[in-house]
Amino acid sequence: AQSVTQLGSHVSVSEGALVLLRCNYSSSVPPYLFWYVQYPNQGLQLLLKYTSAATLVKGINGFEAEFKKSETSFHLTKPSAHMSDAAEYFCAVSENTGRRALTFGSGTRLQVQP
Amino acid sequence: GAVVSQHPSRVICKSGTSVKIECRSLDFQATTMFWYRQFPKQSLMLMATSNEGSKATYEQGVEKDKFLINHASLTLSTLTVTSAHPEDSSFYICSALQGEAFFGQGTRLTVV
Repeated sequence: AQSVTQLGSHVSVSEGALVLLRCNYSSSVPPYLFWYVQYPNQGLQLLLKYTSAATLVKGINGFEAEFKKSETSFHLTKPSAHMSDAAEYFCAVSENTGRRALTFGSGTRLQVQP
Repeated sequence: GAVVSQHPSRVICKSGTSVKIECRSLDFQATTMFWYRQFPKQSLMLMATSNEGSKATYEQGVEKDKFLINHASLTLSTLTVTSAHPEDSSFYICSALQGEAFFGQGTRLTVV
């Protein structure tokens, strides 16, 4: 069984400030971990993924995340927020075997203030 | 990256009618597709796994007779919401696997 917990349903930062979105996971087998971004009334776009290679993963749009097994975390960061980063962000986990369906966290809405 | 097209993007239907949503992998073949449902301001919940040439696997609590899934080819899966009711109004999103999951743009269903 897998689960994902995203702390903070809303995060607000100023433009240019650090973005930190938190994600903790639970998985009975080694996980694959993902961050997706969703703009209103749209599907999901993959930001980055961890699939048991390097623990620090770099993604698109300047985002990165670090897999910390000891903390069961996969927090998403970006050094400097841009107005266009305002969106809903979902952390997701899947097993690295079998069906590969994703289990999503509850999502974090990022607001970027000018 | 791979492209998954979902159609229609929005649909309004009357209560009691059926609605079909299509999910196509445009530039790859997908033996497995997934259907998710997203209520307003909530996360995505897996409804079912669609397998080409075989019956879909439904998650607990999802009525298979209400949400009919057909995966007749390697590039197309369809979700039919039968006898729709207002509580079926939601955002439905499909994904197809090609190494990783690629998502369609979603379908906003409103049942009036």
